[in-house]
Amino acid sequence: DAGVIQSPRHEVTEMGQEVTLRCKPISGHNSLFWYRQTMMRGLELLIYFNNNVPIDDSGMPEDRFSAKMPNASFSTLKIQPSEPRDSAVYFCASSLRQGSGANVLTFGAGSRLTVL
Amino acid sequence: DQQVKQNSPSLSVQEGRISILNCDYTNSMFDYFLWYKKYPAEGPTFLISISSIKDKNEDGRFTVFLNKSAKHLSLHIVPSQPGDSAVYFCAARNQAGTALIFGKGTTLSVSS
Repeated sequence: DAGVIQSPRHEVTEMGQEVTLRCKPISGHNSLFWYRQTMMRGLELLIYFNNNVPIDDSGMPEDRFSAKMPNASFSTLKIQPSEPRDSAVYFCASSLRQGSGANVLTFGAGSRLTVL
Repeated sequence: DQQVKQNSPSLSVQEGRISILNCDYTNSMFDYFLWYKKYPAEGPTFLISISSIKDKNEDGRFTVFLNKSAKHLSLHIVPSQPGDSAVYFCAARNQAGTALIFGKGTTLSVSS
């Protein structure tokens, strides 16, 4: 398996521009997560989906952020308009939710976003 | 307020010695705890987990201990190796949910 695939790996943009981050989860996984890593806040959950349905988006910072999962093999995280404080590494992760058990998440390599 | 706390941002250990990474939590509804390791420019990778009904889980050089009364868990690495140098994240799962809540991480440096 190729693992969780994220693109782009690096994105540099100017304030006010739209940014779209993409994620392909592991085939067969039914849960998908978006996390953001910053020095100040560590790894924080933004939103997660079960069976393509958003379950908890309480971590999404504000209306400038939106996430979609149109099918089981693709998700996007969009920031519009972007601001310098959005600069961070954004991780996508997926898991196979089976009720009980540790629910191990498999992470992608991340997308490093820099907003100038 | 952070529900999962890793109060030591960094830890330095000599090769061959024991590394002990600590984690505290506040939510008594957590039913699983996990440790992840992260190298630079890579995503976190799963290391070891423990159920809230256990107090110890061991996998090779890695052992996780859970003290529910103190709401504290620790990861022991014995013996430590230079390749263990990475950021270690403690994570917890709420039994009502699916997502993991992470601490801020501890950077472990193992010198040879």
